[in-house]
Amino acid sequence: QVQLQESGPGLLKPSETLSLTCSVSGSSFRSHYWNWIRQPPGKGLEWIGYIYYSGSSNYNPSLKSRVTMSVDTSRNQFSLKLSSVTAADTAVYYCARDEGSGTYLFDNWGQGTLVTVSS
Amino acid sequence: DIQMTQSPSSLSASVGDRVTITCRTSQTIGPYLNWYQLKPGKAPNLLIYTASSLQSGVPSRFSGSGSGTDFTLTISSLQPEDFATYYCQQSYSNPITFGQGTRLEI
Repeated sequence: QVQLQESGPGLLKPSETLSLTCSVSGSSFRSHYWNWIRQPPGKGLEWIGYIYYSGSSNYNPSLKSRVTMSVDTSRNQFSLKLSSVTAADTAVYYCARDEGSGTYLFDNWGQGTLVTVSS
Repeated sequence: DIQMTQSPSSLSASVGDRVTITCRTSQTIGPYLNWYQLKPGKAPNLLIYTASSLQSGVPSRFSGSGSGTDFTLTISSLQPEDFATYYCQQSYSNPITFGQGTRLEI
Protein backbone atom coordinates (compact mmCIF):
# COMPACT_ATOMS: atom_id res chain seq x y z
CA GLN A 1 0.00 0.00 0.00
CA VAL A 2 1.37 3.38 -1.02
CA GLN A 3 1.81 5.79 1.85
CA LEU A 4 3.03 9.38 1.90
CA GLN A 5 3.69 11.30 5.09
CA GLU A 6 4.54 14.98 5.39
CA SER A 7 6.71 16.28 8.22
CA GLY A 8 8.12 19.62 9.25
CA PRO A 9 7.57 22.66 11.46
CA GLY A 10 4.00 23.82 11.82
CA LEU A 11 4.71 27.43 12.79
CA LEU A 12 6.93 29.94 11.06
CA LYS A 13 7.57 33.66 11.33
CA PRO A 14 7.34 35.97 8.32
CA SER A 15 10.50 35.99 6.18
CA GLU A 16 11.56 32.51 7.35
CA THR A 17 11.96 29.50 5.08
CA LEU A 18 9.38 26.74 5.10
CA SER A 19 10.92 23.26 4.98
CA LEU A 20 8.85 20.11 4.60
CA THR A 21 9.73 16.52 3.86
CA CYS A 22 7.57 13.77 2.42
CA SER A 23 8.42 10.16 3.21
CA VAL A 24 7.23 7.58 0.70
CA SER A 25 6.64 3.89 1.28
CA GLY A 26 5.09 1.10 -0.75
CA SER A 27 5.92 2.70 -4.11
CA SER A 28 8.67 2.61 -6.68
CA PHE A 29 10.34 5.95 -6.06
CA ARG A 30 11.93 6.15 -9.50
CA SER A 31 8.76 5.54 -11.52
CA HIS A 32 6.84 8.64 -10.57
CA TYR A 33 6.96 12.40 -10.30
CA TRP A 34 6.54 13.65 -6.74
CA ASN A 35 4.47 16.74 -6.10
CA TRP A 36 3.65 19.38 -3.54
CA ILE A 37 0.17 20.91 -3.42
CA ARG A 38 -1.22 23.35 -0.86
CA GLN A 39 -4.59 24.58 0.34
CA PRO A 40 -4.87 27.91 2.19
CA PRO A 41 -7.64 28.03 4.80
CA GLY A 42 -11.01 28.40 3.13
CA LYS A 43 -9.51 28.37 -0.35
CA GLY A 44 -8.87 25.94 -3.17
CA LEU A 45 -5.92 23.77 -4.04
CA GLU A 46 -2.73 25.17 -5.56
CA TRP A 47 -0.13 23.01 -7.29
CA ILE A 48 3.39 24.01 -6.19
CA GLY A 49 5.48 21.74 -8.37
CA TYR A 50 7.09 18.36 -8.83
CA ILE A 51 10.46 16.67 -8.58
CA TYR A 52 11.71 13.47 -10.18
CA TYR A 53 14.20 11.04 -8.63
CA SER A 54 16.85 12.38 -11.02
CA GLY A 55 16.45 15.86 -9.55
CA SER A 56 14.64 17.35 -12.52
CA SER A 57 11.80 19.57 -11.42
CA ASN A 58 9.05 21.89 -12.55
CA TYR A 59 7.52 24.63 -10.43
CA ASN A 60 4.40 26.75 -10.64
CA PRO A 61 5.52 30.10 -12.09
CA SER A 62 3.57 31.90 -9.36
CA LEU A 63 5.94 30.46 -6.74
CA LYS A 64 9.01 29.60 -8.79
CA SER A 65 11.23 32.38 -7.44
CA ARG A 66 10.82 31.09 -3.86
CA VAL A 67 10.58 27.31 -4.31
CA THR A 68 13.28 24.67 -4.19
CA MET A 69 12.57 20.95 -4.23
CA SER A 70 15.05 18.17 -3.60
CA VAL A 71 15.05 14.40 -3.42
CA ASP A 72 16.81 11.78 -1.30
CA THR A 73 16.49 8.47 -3.12
CA SER A 74 18.33 6.56 -0.38
CA ARG A 75 15.52 7.40 2.03
CA ASN A 76 12.63 7.57 -0.46
CA GLN A 77 12.02 11.15 0.56
CA PHE A 78 11.51 14.43 -1.21
CA SER A 79 11.48 17.90 0.22
CA LEU A 80 10.09 21.38 -0.29
CA LYS A 81 11.67 24.67 0.65
CA LEU A 82 9.71 27.91 0.30
CA SER A 83 11.64 31.05 1.15
CA SER A 84 10.53 34.41 2.50
CA VAL A 85 7.17 33.19 3.72
CA THR A 86 4.31 35.53 4.55
CA ALA A 87 0.86 35.00 6.05
CA ALA A 88 -0.35 34.20 2.52
CA ASP A 89 1.70 30.99 2.67
CA THR A 90 -0.35 29.68 5.59
CA ALA A 91 -1.89 26.50 4.26
CA VAL A 92 -2.23 22.76 4.53
CA TYR A 93 0.63 21.35 2.49
CA TYR A 94 0.15 17.99 0.80
CA CYS A 95 2.64 15.76 -0.92
CA ALA A 96 1.23 13.68 -3.75
CA ARG A 97 2.34 11.04 -6.23
CA ASP A 98 1.93 11.52 -9.95
CA GLU A 99 0.45 8.31 -11.33
CA GLY A 100 3.24 8.29 -13.91
CA SER A 101 5.93 10.64 -15.05
CA GLY A 102 4.17 13.82 -15.98
CA THR A 103 0.58 12.69 -16.26
CA TYR A 104 -0.31 15.20 -13.53
CA LEU A 105 -2.76 12.68 -12.17
CA PHE A 106 -2.38 12.59 -8.39
CA ASP A 107 -3.32 9.08 -7.32
CA ASN A 108 -1.86 8.99 -3.82
CA TRP A 109 -1.63 11.83 -1.31
CA GLY A 110 -0.39 12.41 2.20
CA GLN A 111 -2.85 13.55 4.86
CA GLY A 112 -1.39 17.04 4.76
CA THR A 113 0.35 19.20 7.32
CA LEU A 114 -0.77 22.64 8.41
CA VAL A 115 1.86 25.33 8.25
CA THR A 116 1.00 28.65 9.89
CA VAL A 117 2.97 31.83 9.27
CA SER A 118 2.53 34.32 12.08
CA SER A 119 4.65 36.79 13.98
CA ASP B 1 -3.02 29.67 -16.84
CA ILE B 2 -6.19 27.68 -17.40
CA GLN B 3 -8.96 28.98 -15.15
CA MET B 4 -11.31 26.47 -13.59
CA THR B 5 -14.85 27.37 -12.57
CA GLN B 6 -16.83 24.94 -10.48
CA SER B 7 -20.51 25.20 -9.69
CA PRO B 8 -22.16 25.24 -7.35
CA SER B 9 -19.70 26.30 -4.65
CA SER B 10 -21.84 24.51 -2.08
CA LEU B 11 -24.69 22.09 -2.28
CA SER B 12 -27.11 20.68 0.29
CA ALA B 13 -28.45 17.22 -0.37
CA SER B 14 -29.77 14.13 1.35
CA VAL B 15 -28.76 10.50 1.45
CA GLY B 16 -30.04 8.82 -1.69
CA ASP B 17 -30.08 11.99 -3.79
CA ARG B 18 -28.50 12.27 -7.21
CA VAL B 19 -26.15 15.24 -7.44
CA THR B 20 -24.20 16.81 -10.25
CA ILE B 21 -21.24 19.16 -9.99
CA THR B 22 -20.04 21.14 -12.97
CA CYS B 23 -16.55 22.27 -13.93
CA ARG B 24 -15.84 24.69 -16.77
CA THR B 25 -12.38 25.51 -18.08
CA SER B 26 -11.21 28.76 -19.67
CA GLN B 27 -9.83 26.92 -22.69
CA THR B 28 -10.32 23.54 -24.26
CA ILE B 29 -8.46 20.71 -22.53
CA GLY B 30 -9.74 17.64 -24.34
CA PRO B 31 -10.51 14.94 -21.77
CA TYR B 32 -7.75 15.96 -19.33
CA LEU B 33 -9.98 16.67 -16.35
CA ASN B 34 -9.81 14.86 -13.02
CA TRP B 35 -11.97 14.89 -9.89
CA TYR B 36 -10.90 14.58 -6.26
CA GLN B 37 -12.69 14.21 -2.95
CA LEU B 38 -11.33 15.97 0.13
CA LYS B 39 -12.30 15.38 3.73
CA PRO B 40 -10.78 17.26 6.70
CA GLY B 41 -7.76 15.51 8.14
CA LYS B 42 -7.70 12.80 5.47
CA ALA B 43 -5.64 12.25 2.37
CA PRO B 44 -7.44 13.50 -0.75
CA ASN B 45 -8.87 10.80 -2.97
CA LEU B 46 -8.77 10.61 -6.75
CA LEU B 47 -12.22 9.68 -8.02
CA ILE B 48 -12.32 10.19 -11.77
CA TYR B 49 -9.52 10.72 -14.30
CA THR B 50 -9.52 11.84 -17.92
CA ALA B 51 -13.08 13.03 -17.53
CA SER B 52 -14.86 9.70 -17.28
CA SER B 53 -12.55 6.91 -16.07
CA LEU B 54 -13.32 5.59 -12.61
CA GLN B 55 -10.26 5.25 -10.39
CA SER B 56 -9.72 1.76 -9.00
CA GLY B 57 -11.54 1.21 -5.73
CA VAL B 58 -13.96 4.11 -6.18
CA PRO B 59 -17.64 3.15 -5.94
CA SER B 60 -19.56 2.99 -9.21
CA ARG B 61 -22.08 5.57 -8.02
CA PHE B 62 -19.45 8.15 -9.01
CA SER B 63 -19.26 9.01 -12.69
CA GLY B 64 -17.82 11.74 -14.85
CA SER B 65 -18.47 13.10 -18.29
CA GLY B 66 -17.52 15.89 -20.63
CA SER B 67 -14.82 17.04 -22.97
CA GLY B 68 -13.37 20.30 -24.18
CA THR B 69 -14.41 22.93 -21.66
CA ASP B 70 -17.44 21.50 -19.86
CA PHE B 71 -17.35 18.60 -17.44
CA THR B 72 -19.59 17.05 -14.81
CA LEU B 73 -19.21 14.80 -11.80
CA THR B 74 -22.32 12.87 -10.84
CA ILE B 75 -23.02 10.90 -7.70
CA SER B 76 -25.99 8.70 -8.47
CA SER B 77 -27.17 7.94 -4.92
CA LEU B 78 -25.50 9.85 -2.11
CA GLN B 79 -24.14 7.87 0.79
CA PRO B 80 -23.25 9.34 4.20
CA GLU B 81 -19.54 9.03 3.47
CA ASP B 82 -19.89 11.17 0.32
CA PHE B 83 -20.39 14.41 2.21
CA ALA B 84 -17.12 16.15 1.48
CA THR B 85 -15.59 18.79 -0.78
CA TYR B 86 -14.99 17.99 -4.44
CA TYR B 87 -12.39 19.56 -6.72
CA CYS B 88 -11.82 19.38 -10.42
CA GLN B 89 -8.28 19.63 -11.81
CA GLN B 90 -6.94 20.03 -15.31
CA SER B 91 -3.92 17.96 -16.29
CA TYR B 92 -3.67 19.42 -19.81
CA SER B 93 -1.05 22.11 -19.35
CA ASN B 94 1.30 23.73 -16.86
CA PRO B 95 0.70 25.15 -14.42
CA ILE B 96 -1.74 22.53 -13.18
CA THR B 97 -4.86 24.22 -11.82
CA PHE B 98 -7.80 23.21 -9.68
CA GLY B 99 -11.35 24.45 -9.34
CA GLN B 100 -12.33 26.33 -6.21
CA GLY B 101 -14.21 23.35 -4.81
CA THR B 102 -17.81 22.29 -4.20
CA ARG B 103 -18.78 21.60 -0.62
CA LEU B 104 -21.43 18.91 -0.41
CA GLU B 105 -23.40 19.16 2.81
CA ILE B 106 -26.20 17.21 4.37
